[in-house]
Amino acid sequence: AQRVTQPEKLLSVFKGAPVELKCNYSYSGSPELFWYVQYSRQRLQLLLRHISRESIKGFTADLNKGETSFHLKKPFAQEEDSAMYYCALFPGGTSYGKLTFGQGTILTVHP
Amino acid sequence: GAGVSQSPSNKVTEKGKDVELRCDPISGHTALYWYRQSLGQGLEFLIYFQGNSAPDKSGLPSDRFSAERTGGSVSTLTIQRTQQEDSAVYLCASSLASPSGRPYEQYFGPGTRLTVT
Repeated sequence: AQRVTQPEKLLSVFKGAPVELKCNYSYSGSPELFWYVQYSRQRLQLLLRHISRESIKGFTADLNKGETSFHLKKPFAQEEDSAMYYCALFPGGTSYGKLTFGQGTILTVHP
Repeated sequence: GAGVSQSPSNKVTEKGKDVELRCDPISGHTALYWYRQSLGQGLEFLIYFQGNSAPDKSGLPSDRFSAERTGGSVSTLTIQRTQQEDSAVYLCASSLASPSGRPYEQYFGPGTRLTVT
């Protein structure tokens, strides 16, 4: 079975500092990886997916199959980036689109 | 258009009582998912619907949990004989569904916060 691990429950940085939210996964196949974000008093929403290879709100994430990681990075954090971030995995095949989520990381960006 | 809606937004119930949580997906979304968000536990998958059928119930934690979907739209998650460990935020999500099973973006509702006293 697949597993997603986000080792940091809490992460604090200052505005303008680089930020990296870690995500490691265990799965023997070729999964699709996602980052979802939940801002305060808002709904959980998709931030980015690795197959899109795009930068959203300045965030990027690269799938490293060798290290089985999908870390989320931003060079200059902003206060509005403060939120709960979830890494999620889709194993492929007939999994009905079901995602396996990590435990989440609460990011706080201080002014 | 309207997003996924859930009701009630908050529910406080006594241990042993039954509760029903409702989800209205985005119109046209054939796939519907229920998740549970507990403090420190992340998002836990409960059940998936494709249309009215539930091909994957693997995440339901016990036989006290059940769910149904009617008309390929509204879904109800029922918890019988609630226990304190059932306290959590229950999230519903909907998406388009492809025959291959590859995931489209899931759109989440605001959740129902359940507190069992």
